[in-house]
Amino acid sequence: DTAVSQTPKYLVTQMGNDKSIKCEQNLGHDTMYWYKQDSKKFLKIMFSYNNKELIINETVPNRFSPKSPDKAHLNLHINSLELGDSAVYFCASSQLGPNSPLHFGNGTRLTVT
Amino acid sequence: DQQVKQNSPSLSVQEGRISILNCDYTNSMFDYFLWYKKYPAEGPTFLISISSIKDKNEDGRFTVFLNKSAKHLSLHIVPSQPGDSAVYFCAATGEGFGNEKLTFGTGTRLTIIP
Repeated sequence: DTAVSQTPKYLVTQMGNDKSIKCEQNLGHDTMYWYKQDSKKFLKIMFSYNNKELIINETVPNRFSPKSPDKAHLNLHINSLELGDSAVYFCASSQLGPNSPLHFGNGTRLTVT
Repeated sequence: DQQVKQNSPSLSVQEGRISILNCDYTNSMFDYFLWYKKYPAEGPTFLISISSIKDKNEDGRFTVFLNKSAKHLSLHIVPSQPGDSAVYFCAATGEGFGNEKLTFGTGTRLTIIP
């Protein structure tokens, strides 16, 4: 009974393509996030979203866009993929509140060729 | 600008002994700290946290120590067990800022030797 699930687990695609990664949480959490772990193992936040507010890390290119059809889902759309987008992308969720721990999905390894 | 640093990429410890993982931070606005544990092909899972009003927090075999003056925290695992073999991430944020400002270190891979 997976709490935060994301699909696909692996994604291999060519430069210039558009792709999406899906994320769902069944924890009843108010806030969802997307994180990127790059080749140097830095885990950095890309977006956080609750039903009221989208907070975007200013370093994220606008080719990346989160879309939330409802409170339990936050999908990540990426347009015009570039080689540098290759990374592991983690979805996460938490309760609303400053110190609520994150619950992560198992990650999507994106490889752009 | 790496505000949270885990200077040891890896650590090997004999089963039953104490594992000590270290973390340093540079941002004096950080006042809430967490440790996450990550197994291969899985996402990180929350382990333990500490607020700057404390210098120690304990949960079973896991204890986190915070030295605010040195901007240093450490995670102690005792006794270490084979299932503790994983990558451990230190993370920090300013209280009230929450997860939007959570900054992670690059992790320390802990290997417990049976």
